[in-house]
Amino acid sequence: DAGITQSPRHKVTETGTPVTLRCHQTENHRYMYWYRQDPGHGLRLIHYSYGVKDTDKGEVSDGYSVSRSKTEDFLLTLESATSSQTSVYFCAISLGGQGDSPLHFGNGTRLTVT
Amino acid sequence: DAKTTQPTSMDCAEGRAANLPCNHSTISGNEYVYWYRQIHSQGPQYIIHGLKNNETNEMASLIITEDRKSSTLILPHATLRDTAVYYCIVRPYGNNRLAFGKGNQVVVIP
Repeated sequence: DAGITQSPRHKVTETGTPVTLRCHQTENHRYMYWYRQDPGHGLRLIHYSYGVKDTDKGEVSDGYSVSRSKTEDFLLTLESATSSQTSVYFCAISLGGQGDSPLHFGNGTRLTVT
Repeated sequence: DAKTTQPTSMDCAEGRAANLPCNHSTISGNEYVYWYRQIHSQGPQYIIHGLKNNETNEMASLIITEDRKSSTLILPHATLRDTAVYYCIVRPYGNNRLAFGKGNQVVVIP
């Protein structure tokens, strides 16, 4: 257990509604990440954060925003959910650094947009 | 684009060593090789990583060739619980992100 809690674990929502997923860590790690996983695409990075209020885009950031107001929480928001955002979302944390710091993942949030 | 090549799938016998290959012929001198696995419906689990020396931990061993163009993850005594998708990843220099490919579906057979 890497001290990561994702909430909710499952959510069903309707197209056009806003949705916020939460990632909470107890490890005080600097870096936090949001990935999505879809059949045929593997894991793809949405956004990541390298500190409080410091965030950057990943490869599939369109339609998503993030916020990190404190070290332990990283929020992923879908402003207006679409069916293409139906996916499993994983949060990850790491200490950071140039390449010698593993990422540790949460158990995911399964989001269905109807 | 994926920087690693792995088999799409492989079977391993329970109780035997499982050797999982990975090619990363374009790896740069300061890029690390990481291994993760994902058991169905769970988040990816970190296994091991290395730069150029062989590494061992409680889960596995990582053997990196001298030219660093390929590596092998060794699970010393495979169990049914080792059935998972295994990802070999090269971590870009100066980049704190991991790019996952499609992985290798490993099935441990009794």
